[in-house]
Amino acid sequence: SQQGEEDPQALSIQEGENATMNCSYKTSINNLQWYRQNSGRGLVHLILIRSNEREKHSGRLRVTLDTSKKSSSLLITASRAADTASYFCATDNQGGKLIFGQGTELSVKP
Amino acid sequence: DAGITQSPRHKVTETGTPVTLRCHQTENHRYMYWYRQDPGHGLRLIHYSYGVKDTDKGEVSDGYSVSRSKTEDFLLTLESATSSQTSVYFCATTTGRDTGELFFGEGSRLTVL
Repeated sequence: SQQGEEDPQALSIQEGENATMNCSYKTSINNLQWYRQNSGRGLVHLILIRSNEREKHSGRLRVTLDTSKKSSSLLITASRAADTASYFCATDNQGGKLIFGQGTELSVKP
Repeated sequence: DAGITQSPRHKVTETGTPVTLRCHQTENHRYMYWYRQDPGHGLRLIHYSYGVKDTDKGEVSDGYSVSRSKTEDFLLTLESATSSQTSVYFCATTTGRDTGELFFGEGSRLTVL
């Protein structure tokens, strides 16, 4: 069964707008990660946040983690057409294995 | 770029035939994984390896076997392919047990007719 569930499943915005994706999970975790997948390609790691961290930044990305609510959010600021991709959260809760959610499809229109 | 190569990248086969997918890495990463990706299911873990000859099952391991005789190679075998195994298969690697960043291959698209 899936550990992480992303919301929304699909998101369409205009260039320059911010995009927010949410991830909920069920069990305690060591860390939570976000990945991006361009169409027809493999996944690429974006950012990792540990269970004792609440917020992390990387360039235009901001990730928050609320372990009390078992949820995380990924914010992409000032979106660009090149940000069009699927975004996945993944949780490490069993050591050595990452469990992925179903992903959010982001479309950024020029 | 962790130098992960999957082969074949595309394969069409018939029900009942055996299929082997290969993952080759050049980074000496200890952990290797096989995932499948299907619409509506995201990525699901099939099998993983934490060292040479050390493998374990993931959440969707039925119908699949794996082998790792060398650090750099992780093979996924479908002994008798079924149409439900039509999918895109991804190999991934990471360095250590405290699961950090995974590095993914480009995927192998398998169609079972």
